[in-house]
Amino acid sequence: QSVLTQPPSVSAAPGQKVTISCSGSSSNIGNSYVSWYQQLPGTAPKLLIYDNNRRPSGIPDRFSGSKSGTSATLGITGLQTGDEADYYCGTWDTSLSAYVFGAGTKITVL
Amino acid sequence: QVQLQESGPGLVKPSETLSLTCTVSGGSTSSYFWSWIRQPAGKGLEWIGRIYSSGGTNYNPSLKSRVTLSADTSKNQFSLKLTSMTAADTAVYYCARGVGGARGFDYWGHGTLVTVSS
Repeated sequence: QSVLTQPPSVSAAPGQKVTISCSGSSSNIGNSYVSWYQQLPGTAPKLLIYDNNRRPSGIPDRFSGSKSGTSATLGITGLQTGDEADYYCGTWDTSLSAYVFGAGTKITVL
Repeated sequence: QVQLQESGPGLVKPSETLSLTCTVSGGSTSSYFWSWIRQPAGKGLEWIGRIYSSGGTNYNPSLKSRVTLSADTSKNQFSLKLTSMTAADTAVYYCARGVGGARGFDYWGHGTLVTVSS
């Protein structure tokens, strides 16, 4: 059972926008930065968003992050077939003194 | 460009100790947190623990009794030891660099599959 809750899957047509939620608590999202990762099949995770809403160099602005209270959201606009992947949120949990990940959300492009 | 490469045995017997090393190239291990993260086949990511270049560590409470992390900054390497391995520890093991502590992981190794079997 993950400390952070994500929907198992989301789907949308090419060109559409999708959002993935990540729900936590005051001991994690509520008091720590959230990051998001994209994992394409058979590859290592890739950092998409850090510090709640910052994109590393090279990540297109189609990807965005936000945080409000104890929840965070990843948004992807202009969905492409290449975006089909698993997406994970992560943050530091101050009660556990450990980094925690959500269970992951699989994006399917219809 | 920073690159991370995991190395170690791909097969470990039950009850034995897993030892993995992550070698960092293209950058220094100093002044960063370095983490181990694992992923069983078809499942999600699990953070194992992290070590700062000065040697300070944090461990996942669920694995704390079995995990030891160490670092050798002179070799730009950090290592994981996980004792009393069972089939439940079969997974792809990744090493990763922490952004400013716990703000995200910006560089990852390709991962190494560790299978626990007799």
